[in-house]
Amino acid sequence: KQEVTQIPAALSVPEGENLVLNCSFTDSAIYNLQWFRQDPGKGLTSLLLIQSSQREQTSGRLNASLDKSSGRSTLYIAASQPGDSATYLCAVTRYSGGGADGLTFGKGTHLIIQP
Amino acid sequence: NAGVTQTPKFRVLKTGQSMTLLCAQDMNHEYMYWYRQDPGMGLRLIHYSVGEGTTAKGEVPDGYNVSRLKKQNFLLGLESAAPSQTSVYFCASRDRPTYEQYFGPGTRLTVT
Repeated sequence: KQEVTQIPAALSVPEGENLVLNCSFTDSAIYNLQWFRQDPGKGLTSLLLIQSSQREQTSGRLNASLDKSSGRSTLYIAASQPGDSATYLCAVTRYSGGGADGLTFGKGTHLIIQP
Repeated sequence: NAGVTQTPKFRVLKTGQSMTLLCAQDMNHEYMYWYRQDPGMGLRLIHYSVGEGTTAKGEVPDGYNVSRLKKQNFLLGLESAAPSQTSVYFCASRDRPTYEQYFGPGTRLTVT
């Protein structure tokens, strides 16, 4: 059974710092990996999608890397801002041939950026 | 283009009552999913559908039923609500080429 772990569970840093969120998964047979952002009481916003054949994706100040063989992904946030405060979720789509499986999620990293 | 929408946004039920949650998407996606989110548990897959008229069980299907009569709609039903079904329910649809999933805003359900 696929398990996804996110470390740390919570993180509080001053504004302006660069930071790294970690995600690991137990089964390397994945189709892709998605990073989401969730604000309190809100839905999930997709940040980055990395296909299993890719090594990284970038969007603005965000960079996500994927090492499928070791079962790891990192989300790098550059020059953090108070508006980045949210819970960040990592999720993998398990490759099943038919491709019908849903996402397996980690429990998230709760990030607070102090002004 | 509204993306994925969910109805209702909030609901309070008494134990034993029934209700249906509606998910609609306007992106012509074949695949649709229902998840629940609970504190300390993360999001877990309840049921999913690979196309109109099809449904399948996910990780935590007990106590729920689903139907996909139209491609754009995916309904989640609770026949006899229990306090353990208090949760936030999210619907998602999936883009076929990339497998990227798009989520609705969620339904917060409380069962007393």
